[in-house]
Amino acid sequence: TQLLEQSPQFLSIQEGENLTVYCNSSSVFSSLQWYRQEPGEGPVLLVTVVTGGEVKKLKRLTFQFGDARKDSSLHITAAQPGDTGLYLCAGAPGYSTLTFGKGTMLLVSP
Amino acid sequence: ETGVTQSPTHLIKTRGQQVTLRCSSQSGHNTVSWYQQALGQGPQFIFQYYREEENGRGNFPPRFSGLQFPNYSSELNVNALELDDSALYLCASSPGLREGDTQYFGPGTRLTVL
Repeated sequence: TQLLEQSPQFLSIQEGENLTVYCNSSSVFSSLQWYRQEPGEGPVLLVTVVTGGEVKKLKRLTFQFGDARKDSSLHITAAQPGDTGLYLCAGAPGYSTLTFGKGTMLLVSP
Repeated sequence: ETGVTQSPTHLIKTRGQQVTLRCSSQSGHNTVSWYQQALGQGPQFIFQYYREEENGRGNFPPRFSGLQFPNYSSELNVNALELDDSALYLCASSPGLREGDTQYFGPGTRLTVL
């Protein structure tokens, strides 16, 4: 079983701060995805990273895939209250289903 | 708005009962996957259906079963409910079976087993 460990589990910050959340595994993934889930909703895909060392930017969010394709990070610059939510990483273990980490719950206060 | 809908939104059952949850996929999406998300956890893969056939299954007992219909709707059935089955049940549709195909999640059904 391929496991994804996310850290931290919970993060509470003030508006304007920067933060980084991590997603680590001992296994190689062909791709990793990051989702954000708000209360009462299903996860919404933010980005997919495929190539080792890849960096993708989505406005204030920067995603990186490790060179060995075992880990990934999400960096948010100048966090806003609208960024509040559960951030999930998910790996595709070589077929079309997803293995999820437990998530990082982010709370951004005004 | 992903175009994936689920019903009901919330459901309360008692131990030992049976439940059917429903999902309506995006039109044209031949693959539907079901996930269980316990409180404070990430979603766990239950099973996947492609063109009305089961295509893969996670570590869930046989009392979790499913159906997929030609009209892009699907069902998750759970028999002999246990307290630990209390969770958010998510369905996700995708166009096919290509690795890395985007999965579009519905809002989920919150099941409480008393």
